[in-house]
Amino acid sequence: QVQVVQSGAEVKKPGASVKVSCKASGYTLTDYYMHWVRQAPGQGLEWMGRINPNSGGTNYAQKFQGRVTMTRDTSISTAYMELSGLTSDDTAVYYCARGDYSSGLYIDYWGQGTLVTVSS
Amino acid sequence: QSALTQPASVSGSPGQSITISCTGTSSDIGGYKYVSWYQQHPGRAPKLMLYDVSNRPSGVTNRFSGSKSGNTASLTISGLQAEDEGDYYCNSYTSSSTLVFGGGTRLTVL
Repeated sequence: QVQVVQSGAEVKKPGASVKVSCKASGYTLTDYYMHWVRQAPGQGLEWMGRINPNSGGTNYAQKFQGRVTMTRDTSISTAYMELSGLTSDDTAVYYCARGDYSSGLYIDYWGQGTLVTVSS
Repeated sequence: QSALTQPASVSGSPGQSITISCTGTSSDIGGYKYVSWYQQHPGRAPKLMLYDVSNRPSGVTNRFSGSKSGNTASLTISGLQAEDEGDYYCNSYTSSSTLVFGGGTRLTVL
């Protein structure tokens, strides 16, 4: 069965970077886009960007341009999201999520979420 | 890219119908058919309920329907049930080749 399993919770200091991993199983990583979405405590969903694991091509939300990097390692079916220059506003649950096969624009499977806490 | 605009909350009684609006611009909702809706229950990951404005993924009840007019998309839930309570988010593709979510709507079943 399709699964997207993320790395565990992180606690970071302001100014640091965080790298979250997302391992895909039950399907071929390179056949589907991978999206990254975050949700701050008590807040709504925020789309951060997506990666085409086949080509490595990315699209990032303007808000995160220059601060986010999405990569993948196809040999281990894993995608990564690295966010730098962390502030307390980056405290959130970060989800990786698989895009649908047809357009890649809809999310059909979600990871369990990774809580990133930014605190001094 | 600003978030799409949704009402903060809506409510309805069991059996009734409710509609949630989602307003964007000609650069997102108005320009593309790629509008989707997600349902989220507390502490859970979101679930895709509609895509391409009005299509339902396999397993989603036909009580959920969608439409679009100009820069506004709408989600309608008919025959409201207690299990429908939760948060609903619209999402659209944009002219920048990105996606954008709405701010979310809390649905309360009275």
